[in-house]
Amino acid sequence: DIRMTQSPASLSASLGETVNIECLASEDIYSDLAWYQQKPGKSPQLLIYNANSLQNGVPSRFSGSGSGTQYSLKINSLQSEDVATYFCQQYNNYPNTFGAGTKLELK
Amino acid sequence: QVQLQQSGAELVKPGTSVKLSCKASGYTFTSNHMNWIKQTTGQGLEWIGIINPGSGGTSYNVKFKGKATLTVDKSSSTAFMQLSSLTPEDSAVYYCARNYGGYSELDYWGQGVMVTVSS
Repeated sequence: DIRMTQSPASLSASLGETVNIECLASEDIYSDLAWYQQKPGKSPQLLIYNANSLQNGVPSRFSGSGSGTQYSLKINSLQSEDVATYFCQQYNNYPNTFGAGTKLELK
Repeated sequence: QVQLQQSGAELVKPGTSVKLSCKASGYTFTSNHMNWIKQTTGQGLEWIGIINPGSGGTSYNVKFKGKATLTVDKSSSTAFMQLSSLTPEDSAVYYCARNYGGYSELDYWGQGVMVTVSS
C-alpha cells in the first residue's frame, strides 16, 4: 500500500495568516492527489483534486501544488471558517490511502 | 443536486452482521462509482472498497476482504455495504462517497453512519 505521511499533525494560526500542510507519498503518485476538509461531526468535503485543481465552489484562498511524492495545501488569509481537519488522499493505486490528518486551530 | 443519503446509526452485537445503505439522487446512479470509507479516531480514514453500479464489479482493500461486501440496487439507486462477523474493532463511522471512474477523487460524500459493536 502507498503510505501517505502528512504534516504537521496539528497547527495553530492567526486570522489572516498563510498556512501550509504537507503530504509525502511513499512512491510516485503522479499527481493523483486530493485534499479534503472535515469539520466536527461532518463528512469530508473535497477541496483540491489532481494535486492543484480547485473543486467548484471552493474559495480561491485554497490552493494545491506538488508532484511525484511531495504535495502541499496552502491556505491564504486564514478565515475562522477554515478551522477544521484536513486530509490528503492518493487515488493512483488501490487501495486508496489517506494521510492521518492535520487539525487546524485558531491562535 | 447530488445527494448521498445514508441509513441511520446502528448498535449491533459482536458476531452479527449489519447492512448499511446509501441512496443516491441528483445524478445518474450508474455513471459514477461508489466507494466506502471507514473512519475511526485511532486509524483515521481507511478505504474499504469500490463498486461500479453499472456492472456490479467490485474492488476491495485486502484488509476488508471477507469483512465487507458491496452491492447495489439499480432500481432504487442505492448502494449497500454488509459488514460481517462484527467485533468492537468494527465500531466506526462509515461513509459512502462517489467518484467518476475508479481512480479519481471523491467528490460527494454521504453524511456518515455510526456503527457501534457492543454486547
